[in-house]
Amino acid sequence: GAVVSQHPSRVICKSGTSVKIECRSLDFQATTMFWYRQFPKQSLMLMATSNEGSKATYEQGVEKDKFLINHASLTLSTLTVTSAHPEDSSFYICSVQPRGESTYEQYFGPGTRLTVT
Amino acid sequence: AQSVAQPEDQVNVAEGNPLTVKCTYSVSGNPYLFWYVQYPNRGLQFLLKYITGDNLVKGSYGFEAEFNKSQTSFHLKKPSALVSDSALYFCAVRDESNYQLIWGAGTKLIIKP
Repeated sequence: GAVVSQHPSRVICKSGTSVKIECRSLDFQATTMFWYRQFPKQSLMLMATSNEGSKATYEQGVEKDKFLINHASLTLSTLTVTSAHPEDSSFYICSVQPRGESTYEQYFGPGTRLTVT
Repeated sequence: AQSVAQPEDQVNVAEGNPLTVKCTYSVSGNPYLFWYVQYPNRGLQFLLKYITGDNLVKGSYGFEAEFNKSQTSFHLKKPSALVSDSALYFCAVRDESNYQLIWGAGTKLIIKP
């Protein structure tokens, strides 16, 4: 399967600071990337869909000014949590949808554990 | 509206016994169905998918799933469970016109030695 990396894997920051999370597809071009948030023992919550070269599409209830998404290339998308608060602490996971009609599944990064103190 | 239901929060199985993790779905068009597994503090790993063709699909680690259109189900199965199969399992669906996945709530699978 495709390889997706996330960096950092774990980050601790203070309230009010901003944190950037990178998602890279290492062996294919990804037209579309997805950002999810997962609370303990819960399912994935889609935050936004990131399309290369265009603005991200945010799900209802997700603040686009707080969760900035930049899909600068076909292999990189970034999520920046601005002015972080303790309630932003969560597990953030990206996934990629490879370009090409023959690939139907998404491939996931290993996740980033964010803790805001 | 599209939806996925995983009716069991947790499934307990003895090692060596067969296991089933249930999933039912609702989608407007032709369904694309997926199973993913998540180990603690990790991302999701793709197990298998149904797109078209044979109703029984085989995937990674000896898992298989059966697509049943009349019952709108896509249950995950394995003939003989291993302790290492213990993890969180997610069923997901999308239709052919949309990349966005609809996720089930997840089922925690516990395999006891």
